[in-house]
Amino acid sequence: LAKTTQPISMDSYEGQEVNITCSHNNIATNDYITWYQQFPSQGPRFIIQGYKTKVTNEVASLFIPADRKSSTLSLPRVSLSDTAVYYCLVGGSGNTGKLIFGQGTTLQVKP
Amino acid sequence: ETGVTQTPRHLVMGMTNKKSLKCEQHLGHNAMYWYKQSAKKPLELMFVYNFKEQTENNSVPSRFSPECPNSSHLFLHLHTLQPEDSALYLCASSPPLLAPRANEQFFGPGTRLTVL
Repeated sequence: LAKTTQPISMDSYEGQEVNITCSHNNIATNDYITWYQQFPSQGPRFIIQGYKTKVTNEVASLFIPADRKSSTLSLPRVSLSDTAVYYCLVGGSGNTGKLIFGQGTTLQVKP
Repeated sequence: ETGVTQTPRHLVMGMTNKKSLKCEQHLGHNAMYWYKQSAKKPLELMFVYNFKEQTENNSVPSRFSPECPNSSHLFLHLHTLQPEDSALYLCASSPPLLAPRANEQFFGPGTRLTVL
């Protein structure tokens, strides 16, 4: 299963766009890239998933370059309620559901 | 509300006790999971069930015993636990493994377990 590396923490201010980059140099051909959000004392919440290029939903965008060795989660106009831990996961090849969570990125949004 | 409920939300038990954690999903999913989240550590996948069949046991000690009687319910039976087993235990569900959205897992709120 591919290992991921992402910043331990990031700070931002309300209304800004936040980009969190994750590197996954050993991603396998069949691996998907999935991002989750977790608030304290709650279970993680699925944000977005992609395989290549760009994926957008009502919450975020996911940018994946052609070599797929990294990905960037983009959160437009963050608010205080976006303060959370964000996890980048790579794996689940063939959609096996076996996701490996790393340390995640703690995003702190300030007023 | 994610459609996945867990009971109890908090549990304190002694090392000689036997207790069970319950998870129920109302999403029509066919895959269910147990995760453990200890303080300052990443979530650890423990067990995976697909259509009631266990497909993954991530080297979990036998003092943790899962049970999946149907696709909507998942239990984690606990006995003779150790203090280091204190953690947040999370249940999740998803569409069946190998389905296009199997990686989109829905998590319950967790059970905060303290072993004395």
